[in-house]
Amino acid sequence: AQSVTQLGSHVSVSEGALVLLRCNYSSSVPPYLFWYVQYPNQGLQLLLKYTSAATLVKGINGFEAEFKKSETSFHLTKPSAHMSDAAEYFCAVTRTGNQFYFGTGTSLTVIP
Amino acid sequence: EAGVAQSPRYKIIEKRQSVAFWCNPISGHATLYWYQQILGQGPKLLIQFQNNGVVDDSQLPKDRFSAERLKGVDSTLKIQPAKLEDSAVYLCATAASPGPETQYFGPGTRLLVL
Repeated sequence: AQSVTQLGSHVSVSEGALVLLRCNYSSSVPPYLFWYVQYPNQGLQLLLKYTSAATLVKGINGFEAEFKKSETSFHLTKPSAHMSDAAEYFCAVTRTGNQFYFGTGTSLTVIP
Repeated sequence: EAGVAQSPRYKIIEKRQSVAFWCNPISGHATLYWYQQILGQGPKLLIQFQNNGVVDDSQLPKDRFSAERLKGVDSTLKIQPAKLEDSAVYLCATAASPGPETQYFGPGTRLLVL
């Protein structure tokens, strides 16, 4: 069975501070992992994805995530938060590409 | 390049009524997904199409939900009859091919069942 767990449904950071959003996965085989962002009243947009190449994945808008098999984690980070980063972030996993499982999401608030 | 189009954007119905949602994918995208996103939760896959064939519908409540993609392009998702717990945002996403490919999401249809 596959699933992802996002620790912390709400995260608040100050503008300019480090952003860290946590995602742990459960999969019997090495999975493919994704981070999506959702702005209010919009669909989801891909930030980055891990597909078994480099373990450190760089995405759009300065975000990156590191695949750590030993910790079954794929945490999302950004060195310096910007006001425009305020949104809902979803981690997703698939083993075959035919069944995607999304986490419950983390709402990021950026404090000016 | 035009994105994934969905209509209507909002729909309010009473329980036991029927409703249909429409999705037009990005041109050339063979893979199409329908997701249900209940408030406060992540998207849940309902059905996946590859061209006009169903790849996975294991989480589709088939007693009341149906979906089709007859010509392998546009798709419709129908609920009949609707229940209060069907209140959610219904997201359509498409990808150029199956597998761990980037999915492009539409803006969603927000359904409220009273």
